[in-house]
Amino acid sequence: EIVLTQSPGTLSLSPGERATLSCRASQSVSSSYLAWYQQKPGQAPRLLIYGASSRATGIPDRFSGSGSGTDFTLTISRLEPEDFAVYYCQQYGSSPRLTFGGGTKVEIK
Amino acid sequence: QVTLRESGPALVKPTQTLTLTCTFSGFSLSTSGMCVSWVRQPPGKALEWLALIDWDDDKYYSTSLKTRLTISKDTSKNQVVLTMTNMDPVDTATYYCARIHTSSSCLHDAFDIWGQGTMVTVSS
Repeated sequence: EIVLTQSPGTLSLSPGERATLSCRASQSVSSSYLAWYQQKPGQAPRLLIYGASSRATGIPDRFSGSGSGTDFTLTISRLEPEDFAVYYCQQYGSSPRLTFGGGTKVEIK
Repeated sequence: QVTLRESGPALVKPTQTLTLTCTFSGFSLSTSGMCVSWVRQPPGKALEWLALIDWDDDKYYSTSLKTRLTISKDTSKNQVVLTMTNMDPVDTATYYCARIHTSSSCLHDAFDIWGQGTMVTVSS
């Protein structure tokens, strides 16, 4: 099973700042089958990025994903107030097992 | 518009069997490329994938929970049902269903639409 480790656990930033979130896999993720989700309190996760770097429908271009193999990054270029949330990475290349990372909380500094 | 909604008991006793239903609209699970999955999230913790069923009735399960899970679909009702046997307090979580719309394999695409989730507490 591929284990995903997200860092940092918590990121304290101010609106307008750049956020860089890391997701490291214990084994190479096939074909960059990696997604990022945003989850706000009391809400379901929302798909942001799939295929490591493709934005989902309706996602602002301040969100970008990059990486391959075992190291992946989600970047939020300029934090908006609505971006403060928990972010999860997920790999779907190691079938039949789908796994999530432990999450990174982006909080207001 | 694609929507999914989970339903089921809010409280179950230890050792009981949990049955959850995902009722969806805006797509058909008989259409090639459509899949529905279950994911859970204990309070304050991370997401955990449970099971998946595709348009061709292929089913996939979390290795650690495989012996306790059964997923099925009723295409005519636009529903997917998940049963989990021998419930324990550690199974207390919000249970989500989510859709995958794939051009290849359900195991090689992300969850694009999620339901709002249903909270299940396991307690005597």
